Amino acid sequence: GAVVSQHPSRVICKSGTSVKIECRSLDFQATTMFWYRQFPKQSLMLMATSNEGSKATYEQGVEKDKFLINHASLTLSTLTVTSAHPEDSSFYICSAPPSVGGETQYFGPGTRLLVL
Amino acid sequence: QKEVEQDPGPLSVPEGAIVSLNCTYSNSAFQYFMWYRQYSRKGPELLMYTYSSGNKEDGRFTAQVDKSSKYISLFIRDSQPSDSATYLCAMIPNAGGTSYGKLTFGQGTILTVHP
Repeated sequence: GAVVSQHPSRVICKSGTSVKIECRSLDFQATTMFWYRQFPKQSLMLMATSNEGSKATYEQGVEKDKFLINHASLTLSTLTVTSAHPEDSSFYICSAPPSVGGETQYFGPGTRLLVL
Repeated sequence: QKEVEQDPGPLSVPEGAIVSLNCTYSNSAFQYFMWYRQYSRKGPELLMYTYSSGNKEDGRFTAQVDKSSKYISLFIRDSQPSDSATYLCAMIPNAGGTSYGKLTFGQGTILTVHP
């Protein structure tokens, strides 16, 4: 199946710093990627839709100035958590559909963020 | 009320048992239904994907969709310890438009298959 990678897999940072997470589609091009957040023992919650060549669209309640998304190319989307705080500690996962108009999603391995 | 309801479990079964996992939903617009398996500290892995009502079988896994009851199921036959994971149902209204790609997930069911 299609492969999606994320980097880093784990990051620990101090409160107030910014953290960048990369999501790459390795064997297909993705004009759209999705970013999810998952708290312990909870399901995935969609944060935003990353669109190549245009602005990201954010779900209700997600601060766009705090979670900056840049879809730099057809294989790369980045999520930057700005001025991170302990409550931002979570598991961040990206996904991408392997084909245009496809309904299925392939997920990256996730990035665990811990803000001290 | 959540759009998708899934019993979080945990569910513990002996090796070889048949496992039944279920989700109910309230949005009648959902058309595509998926089951994902997520191991601890990993991203979800797509297991099954079905469109509309009916059954779909893939090896030891069978997915069922009953749109009239707004109920979907995943059956695992001859369960193995390696099947121990969290199973997430997910669904989406349609392939395009403003809902493109926006999966709605159930809470996930934690499954343990013990030897």
